[in-house]
Amino acid sequence: QLQLVQSGAEVKEPGASVKVSCKASRDIFISYYIHWVRQAPAQGLEWVAMFNPRSGSTTYAQNFQGRVTMTRDTSTATVYMELFSLKSEDTAVYYCVRNGAGHNYFDLWGQGTLISVSS
Amino acid sequence: DTQMTQSPSTLSASVGDRVTITCRASQSISLWVAWYQQKPGKTPRLLIYRASILESGVPSRFSGSGSGTEFTLTISSLQPDDFATYYCQQYVSFPLTFGGGTKVEIK
Repeated sequence: QLQLVQSGAEVKEPGASVKVSCKASRDIFISYYIHWVRQAPAQGLEWVAMFNPRSGSTTYAQNFQGRVTMTRDTSTATVYMELFSLKSEDTAVYYCVRNGAGHNYFDLWGQGTLISVSS
Repeated sequence: DTQMTQSPSTLSASVGDRVTITCRASQSISLWVAWYQQKPGKTPRLLIYRASILESGVPSRFSGSGSGTEFTLTISSLQPDDFATYYCQQYVSFPLTFGGGTKVEIK
């Protein structure tokens, strides 16, 4: 079954870092790109980065360059997004998503992970 | 960056109405636009890609049109299940960008 399953909600203090996991079904891991999209409370959607699980290469949105890292564990088909130097403005639901066939629209979404940043 | 501007930001309509949402790109994006529906507390759902191709399982009352810089999402006859927020997204170039959303409310 094609799916993306994310780790649970986290609460962090400003300046800390957080690592969110996204476990993909094997078919997704070997055939698709994984993107991260975030949504602040009552706000719209914001693209964070695109990750190639086969090569480990990443394309980042400029807003997140230098503050986010994508990694993967090929043995478990899990992709990780780590966000550093958290600010209150990073409070959002973070989604891992699969791109559509050969193009960067999103046809399958993880359930989302709420990251709350507060002192 | 390619900016995506949606209008209106809020739309009040009744069941059975024909509803049109517009998305304008700051530069030509050919046909590389997708539309999503999001209900409160739920994940977004892909409705349309490549401007007019209906995703599998999406009701035929949804349609998309346009090219270049102007795109529309139309719901031919609004149903109770359609009250939600709709987003457009361009995927011709990085960074991928979304419109600000259009909330369709019950009139």
